[in-house]
Amino acid sequence: DGGITQSPKYLFRKEGQNVTLSCEQNLNHDAMYWYRQDPGQGLRLIYYSQIVNDFQKGDIAEGYSVSREKKESFPLTVTSAQKNPTAFYLCASSIDPRGPRVAAFFGQGTRLTVV
Amino acid sequence: DQQVKQNSPSLSVQEGRISILNCDYTNSMFDYFLWYKKYPAEGPTFLISISSIKDKNEDGRFTVFLNKSAKHLSLHIVPSQPGDSAVYFCAALMDSSYKLIFGSGTRLLVRP
Repeated sequence: DGGITQSPKYLFRKEGQNVTLSCEQNLNHDAMYWYRQDPGQGLRLIYYSQIVNDFQKGDIAEGYSVSREKKESFPLTVTSAQKNPTAFYLCASSIDPRGPRVAAFFGQGTRLTVV
Repeated sequence: DQQVKQNSPSLSVQEGRISILNCDYTNSMFDYFLWYKKYPAEGPTFLISISSIKDKNEDGRFTVFLNKSAKHLSLHIVPSQPGDSAVYFCAALMDSSYKLIFGSGTRLLVRP
């Protein structure tokens, strides 16, 4: 059963702590993405990766870090430098988007609450 | 700088009628446009896409129209069903980049 798995679904952390959100896909997709959604807002791009061992900053990368050591995995670390970390985080993956089958498929999201 | 804009935060239509969701973009270098449907606390679901070299793509009840000169695209849902009630996002992608940019979404309510 192919898909994208984000874990955990809900996450609580104390202010000042780093936290890592997991994203795994078994779709054999090259590209992976992290987005953030705030209440009533759209999806804002944090980081994206075209291929293993390569990733690019999105529009709101400050306070976040990622790694892409394996094709299947793209974990996101929310650091203590992120000023407003409480949000809904979405991971996505895509086959090479440069083609007629362009589409990105999303996981179910992780709701992070920092208290 | 919002490169993809959905200026209508909400839309309400009667069941069976047409729903038209609009999206504007500023970057003429975008090569693909996509539409997604999203329910609260879930990930978005891909609906339909269109290449910039086309002006129309149809899939069942969903049709996307692209007007490149106006930098405008729209998603038509005919006939609208109550189960279509959700937030709809348009997104854009450049061929030279894997960067997928989303609009702010439009909440569609289909009234029975």
